Amino acid sequence: DAKTTQPNSMESNEEEPVHLPCNHSTISGTDYIHWYRQLPSQGPEYVIHGLTSNVNNRMASLAIAEDRKSSTLILHRATLRDAAVYYCIRGVSNTGKLIFGQGTTLQVKP
Amino acid sequence: DAGVTQSPTHLIKTRGQHVTLRCSPISGHKSVSWYQQVLGQGPQFIFQYYEKEERGRGNFPDRFSARQFPNYSSELNVNALLLGDSALYLCASSWDRGRSGELFFGEGSRLTVL
Repeated sequence: DAKTTQPNSMESNEEEPVHLPCNHSTISGTDYIHWYRQLPSQGPEYVIHGLTSNVNNRMASLAIAEDRKSSTLILHRATLRDAAVYYCIRGVSNTGKLIFGQGTTLQVKP
Repeated sequence: DAGVTQSPTHLIKTRGQHVTLRCSPISGHKSVSWYQQVLGQGPQFIFQYYEKEERGRGNFPDRFSARQFPNYSSELNVNALLLGDSALYLCASSWDRGRSGELFFGEGSRLTVL
């Protein structure tokens, strides 16, 4: 199963925007792009998902490239509670199967 | 409302033994999925059950099996445990087959095989 590619780690300052990139050049045309985050000793938590159009919710925004080969998760104002591992995930079309990559560890500095 | 609950939270087994992990989905959710997360890696899909039928299976050996009960709770069974089965086993539930995009994960069962 084709996986996504993300940087291993990123740093941000508190109250600044964070842009987390993801490459998924082999994603099929009907697979959704999902983002989940995971805090230590917890299960993953849903952040956002989309197919082709940019998406916004109360937690974040998802910007999807026109060719769908990459996407960016945007946290508008990082807080210390946003420090986590962020996973960019391929959602296999018409199933509930999520294919996780290695994730990006986000550090937020006060 | 209770979230996804898993039991036990931690357990230690020896090679060759068998283990059963349990999951109770959020009330009203009909789909349960199982994932294995080895330390330092992202979760890997094992199974999905929807309406008590297996709807998807990942690349895991036949030693891994699961089932879903009429109340939508689920069990994951692993036979003939190997050292490499040591991992965090995560259960996730959703109200449909997952097309809506949002899975709700439990905190997992951490299995150590000695």
